[in-house]
This record gives sequence, structure tokens and C-alpha cells, in this order.
Amino acid sequence: DAGVIQSPRHEVTEMGQEVTLRCKPISGHNSLFWYRQTMMRGLELLIYFNNNVPIDDSGMPEDRFSAKMPNASFSTLKIQPSEPRDSAVYFCASSDQPPESHSGANVLTFGAGSRLTVL
Amino acid sequence: AQKVTQAQTEISVVEKEDVTLDCVYETRDTTYYLFWYKQPPSGELVFLIRRNSFDEQNEISGRYSWNFQKSTSSFNFTITASQVVDSAVYFCALSEASSNSGYALNFGKGTSLLVTP
Repeated sequence: DAGVIQSPRHEVTEMGQEVTLRCKPISGHNSLFWYRQTMMRGLELLIYFNNNVPIDDSGMPEDRFSAKMPNASFSTLKIQPSEPRDSAVYFCASSDQPPESHSGANVLTFGAGSRLTVL
Repeated sequence: AQKVTQAQTEISVVEKEDVTLDCVYETRDTTYYLFWYKQPPSGELVFLIRRNSFDEQNEISGRYSWNFQKSTSSFNFTITASQVVDSAVYFCALSEASSNSGYALNFGKGTSLLVTP
């Protein structure tokens, strides 16, 4: 398997522009997570999907952020309008454990990340 | 509240030295999982190990070893005979069974390890 695929790897945009980050999880994984990494706040969970359904979006910083998962093989994270403080590395991760499972916590496999710079 | 504390922000060692990265966690769950991930300069996050709360047996994998102690809520990571390629940021993470986020990981702030020749 090619692992978790994220695109673009780098994005430079101007304040106010719309940004869309994309993620293809590992085939067969039914849990998908979006994380944001900044120097100040470290790695933060933004949103969690299970079977394409958003389960916990409490980490989404504000209404400018939205995420979708239209099918099991694709997810997007959109920022509209973007602001300089959104500059960060955004990671997508997937795993193969449903939340109801008690057989053990899943290992999250992370994509390479999308580095966003908002000028 | 920070659930995972990595008190060491940066560590610098000379090649072949042993180094221990500390991790202290906080949870009320009886069922939880602890992880270590490595982030090399290239930026990806690489899984190293997972332990569950019912298994305190220490683990060794080559030059890497992990010491899990529930009594002190610690899950420390030791690299023996460090090498330059070990230079990276190392993250400790906690996953709780009671989480609403499907065993999502709560990460510590990371420890940046620099190994010099």
C-alpha cells in the first residue's frame, strides 16, 4: 500500500484565499483524522471521521475550517478565507479500528503532511 | 489540560551516548494506550511503539527500549548507543478508551534530539 497520501505537499497563498487540502487514507481503514502542527501548539486534533461520518469536530478552530469525507478513499480540509495564523503543517492519518472495538487502540498511520503558508 | 508532558524540549548528545526521553501522562481511564512517534527532519510522523495500560512489561527493539511505569505515570524511551540518524523530534502520545474521538492521539510537545558525530 502507498500509505496515506496528502496533497499538496506545499501551499503558499495569500490571506483571504480559499485553501483545500486533500487526503487519501489507506485502503480498508475506516477511521480518518486531521491534525494541525504548529510550533506554539504542537500537534492538535482537528476532526475525526469514522466510516466517512464526522464524529468529533471539536478541534476545528472556527467556522472558516470545514472538512468532508464523501467516500472511504477521500477527504478534504478546507479553509475559507485563510489567515496568516492558519500557517501550519496539516497531517491526515488513518487507522483500521472502529471506536466500538475493545481489541486495542489503533495505530495511526500519518501522511507526509501539507505545509501551508498564508501570507 | 495537557495530558502528555515531555519536559525535555531539546537534548543534544554525542554519537554512541545513551539517551533517555521522558514522558509523563495523565488520565483517569483504566484502559489507555501509549505511543511513541518519531519525526525526522523530513517531517513525516513514524510510529515506533504502542503499549496498553494492562501491559507494563518493558520492551526492547534493537537500540530502542521503553520503560512503562504506571506507578509514576511514565513511559520513557531510551536510545542506546545513539547515532546521527536518530536525530529527530520524538513525540509521546496517549489514547484513551473514553475518548469521543475514536482513540485519537493526544500528543506531547515533543523532544528534539540532536546527535552529533
